Amino acid sequence: GQQLNQSPQSMFIQEGEDVSMNCTSSSIFNTWLWYKQDPGEGPVLLIALYKAGELTSNGRLTAQFGITRKDSFLNISASIPSDVGIYFCAGPSGTYKYIFGTGTRLKVLA
Amino acid sequence: EAGVVQSPRYKIIEKKQPVAFWCNPISGHNTLYWYLQNLGQGPELLIRYENEEAVDDSQLPKDRFSAERLKGVDSTLKIQPAELGDSAVYLCASSRGEGPGETQYFGPGTRLLVL
Repeated sequence: GQQLNQSPQSMFIQEGEDVSMNCTSSSIFNTWLWYKQDPGEGPVLLIALYKAGELTSNGRLTAQFGITRKDSFLNISASIPSDVGIYFCAGPSGTYKYIFGTGTRLKVLA
Repeated sequence: EAGVVQSPRYKIIEKKQPVAFWCNPISGHNTLYWYLQNLGQGPELLIRYENEEAVDDSQLPKDRFSAERLKGVDSTLKIQPAELGDSAVYLCASSRGEGPGETQYFGPGTRLLVL
């Protein structure tokens, strides 16, 4: 079945550094979603991408829909302590259904 | 506007006992989802409702899991009997409708520990 692989699995960064993470699929997607999950909470949608090559920003976050439509990238600029959490990508799997990646765990060192 | 409400937030039970989780979606949201999130994994869809109809329950282990959304608003997810492997976070989400442009809003989840 479909799988979403996220890289890296976890990362420690210094406050103020830029962060990059990616998500790859075994099949072509027409939508990519990026979520953040804080400890003890449910995921919150950060950015949605709907066409190949699309680049969308949300504050310090920027996500891009890969040209091959099998990957997506999320960048965080000038990281701050509240960026700590788990970042999930998600893509469509059937009608109105999404599968989620395994997550990238971000830890920021103040 | 209130978000998705779930209760209880935490539940500890012994194996073979029944357990139930409750979800109240955002007002006006017709679509409701139950997800299972194992430790270190992303959420996995268990069941999706459109109003009171379960339109996708293909991932729900029907031998022990059941769900209902009788009036198309609140929903209950039940496990009977619970097994050790059911220890996980059960997330409820809702959206206004179906479709790729509809954002799913997640609740905080119920953390289940089966001993």
